[in-house]
Amino acid sequence: DVVMTQSPLSLPVTVGQPASISCRSSQSLVSSDGNTYLSWFQQRPGQSPRRLIYKVSNRDSGVPDRFSGSGSGTDFTLKISRVEAEDVGVYYCMHHTHWPWTFGQGTKVEIK
Amino acid sequence: EVQLVESGGDLVQPGGSLRLSCAASGFTVSSSYMSWVRQAPGKGLESVSLVDPGGRTYSADSVKDRFTISRDNSKNTLYLQMNSLRAEDTALYFCMREAYLWGQGTLVTVSS
Repeated sequence: DVVMTQSPLSLPVTVGQPASISCRSSQSLVSSDGNTYLSWFQQRPGQSPRRLIYKVSNRDSGVPDRFSGSGSGTDFTLKISRVEAEDVGVYYCMHHTHWPWTFGQGTKVEIK
Repeated sequence: EVQLVESGGDLVQPGGSLRLSCAASGFTVSSSYMSWVRQAPGKGLESVSLVDPGGRTYSADSVKDRFTISRDNSKNTLYLQMNSLRAEDTALYFCMREAYLWGQGTLVTVSS
């Protein structure tokens, strides 16, 4: 199974400041079709996860443009350019290149 | 409106069985990659089972031979049959479409 390792696991941030979360996979996530199926999800307290980014860097409809994804191969990053209070929650990376789909441990973003 | 609504979660004794349902609206289950993901209390996310548009099914090693994913095309509904339940299966179970859309989850508690 592909192991997804996120860092940091806890991220206190000041409103208006940037934030960055790393996600590393134990093997390449490039699929045989050439796509890299790496997504980022946000889970606010008491809610279901919501996808923010798909295929590494594509933002979902309705997701603020302060969220961006980048990376390739085994090394990926989610960036928030200016954190807002509503961004509090746990962020997960997930690959679905092949089964089993696996998630990172989650990064808890909180406001200082 | 495109949505997923899970049901069927309950308190069950160890060794018991339960069937979860996920009713879909706004899209066709049989044309999508549909999966079950679980989240133990206060923990991260774990993929449980997947059915692809061709009907092939996949399960995590932790539930293989105990859980079965299926779908009823006439009802546009996804199912998870859970047998030989263990305390470690206690979790909020989500259904998910195409690694994108999540339901609100249904709680399974395995305890005597």
